[in-house]
Amino acid sequence: GAVVSQHPSRVICKSGTSVKIECRSLDFQATTMFWYRQFPKQSLMLMATSNEGSKATYEQGVEKDKFLINHASLTLSTLTVTSAHPEDSSFYICSVPDRSSNEQYFGPGTRLTVT
Amino acid sequence: GENVEQHPSTLSVQEGDSAVIKCTYSDSASNYFPWYKQELGKGPQLIIDIRSNVGEKKDQRIAVTLNKTAKHFSLHITETQPEDSAVYFCAASSGNQGGKLIFGQGTELSVKP
Repeated sequence: GAVVSQHPSRVICKSGTSVKIECRSLDFQATTMFWYRQFPKQSLMLMATSNEGSKATYEQGVEKDKFLINHASLTLSTLTVTSAHPEDSSFYICSVPDRSSNEQYFGPGTRLTVT
Repeated sequence: GENVEQHPSTLSVQEGDSAVIKCTYSDSASNYFPWYKQELGKGPQLIIDIRSNVGEKKDQRIAVTLNKTAKHFSLHITETQPEDSAVYFCAASSGNQGGKLIFGQGTELSVKP
């Protein structure tokens, strides 16, 4: 399956600042990537679908101006949390789908803590 | 849209016993049902999956069954080991949703030595 990396693995930022998280598909060209958020002891909630060369599509209730997604190439998608607040502290995980098999390959996640 | 319910939320078994986790889904168009294992602080790892044209699939100590009529699928782990302790998630997706996965709530499995 695809190998997916995320950077950074952990980040601490001050309230009001912005943080960028990278998701890379190391061995698989991905026209689509998914971004999930996971709060402690909870399930993964899909935030948005990142589309290479076009705008991301956001799930209901997710603010597109707060969570900026850029899918610059077939191997890289970035999620920028703008004007972060403590309630944005969470585990952010990306995934790469294999359209031929429906399988999804997940990155290791990024732990964001906003102080 | 799709809704996936997963039970139980926690499960504690003795080493060597079997563990069963059950999920139900609502969208009859769903055709792909993966199971993921997530260890603390890590991303989910696919452990087994099943498609709607198959009723059962087995991989060593892990098996998954699917009942399309009842819209439920189950994960069976036999001869459990302490390293099986983790959170397990079921999910469902359909081809007409662009590959989106809808996850169940998760089951925290604890295998006691």
